[in-house]
Amino acid sequence: ETGVTQSPTHLIKTRGQQVTLRCSSQSGHNTVSWYQQALGQGPQFIFQYYREEENGRGNFPPRFSGLQFPNYSSELNVNALELDDSALYLCASSLRTRGNTGELFFGEGSRLTVL
Amino acid sequence: GDSVTQMEGPVTLSEEAFLTINCTYTATGYPSLFWYVQYPGEGLQLLLKATKADDKGSNKGFEATYRKETTSFHLEKGSVQVSDSAVYFCALASGNTPLVFGKGTRLSVIA
Repeated sequence: ETGVTQSPTHLIKTRGQQVTLRCSSQSGHNTVSWYQQALGQGPQFIFQYYREEENGRGNFPPRFSGLQFPNYSSELNVNALELDDSALYLCASSLRTRGNTGELFFGEGSRLTVL
Repeated sequence: GDSVTQMEGPVTLSEEAFLTINCTYTATGYPSLFWYVQYPGEGLQLLLKATKADDKGSNKGFEATYRKETTSFHLEKGSVQVSDSAVYFCALASGNTPLVFGKGTRLSVIA
């Protein structure tokens, strides 16, 4: 067990709705990364937060946004949901030192289904 | 950009068989290489890693050697068990860049 917890574990939404996914980082970690894993695919990097600021972003549209809080927990928000947003969303925390992100510890993910 | 290509699955083996899952990469510079494992219903777990050429990562009987000349990081295990059934992901990262994953290879081990 990594100490990274995500909620909810499963949820179902309809097209056009908005969703918020939550992640509690492992104690002592200051960096959180979010990944999208479509069925049968490898995880794709969405963005990373370090000290409450976005610090890198993958090829995802602006309707994917995030927050990192002072306690290093994090949220992923997706607006105007589309069917292709159906996926497992993975949160990973790490301890960033001297510009190196460090080893990632993943949560079990939130499985989003968009109907 | 950086990318990882790994053999397509699924791979089905009998218990105690030898396992190889191929992984090759394309990257600028000298990335670190990783194998992650995802057991059913669980998140990704780091299985092993190597940070420079000719390094060998090993864990739980699994091994992989960083081969710069062939840009490869193949995963091997001499004798698989039913409990090794999972999806295996090869990945790379350069410096502070995010992890780039392959598509994953599903392994099923039958008794």
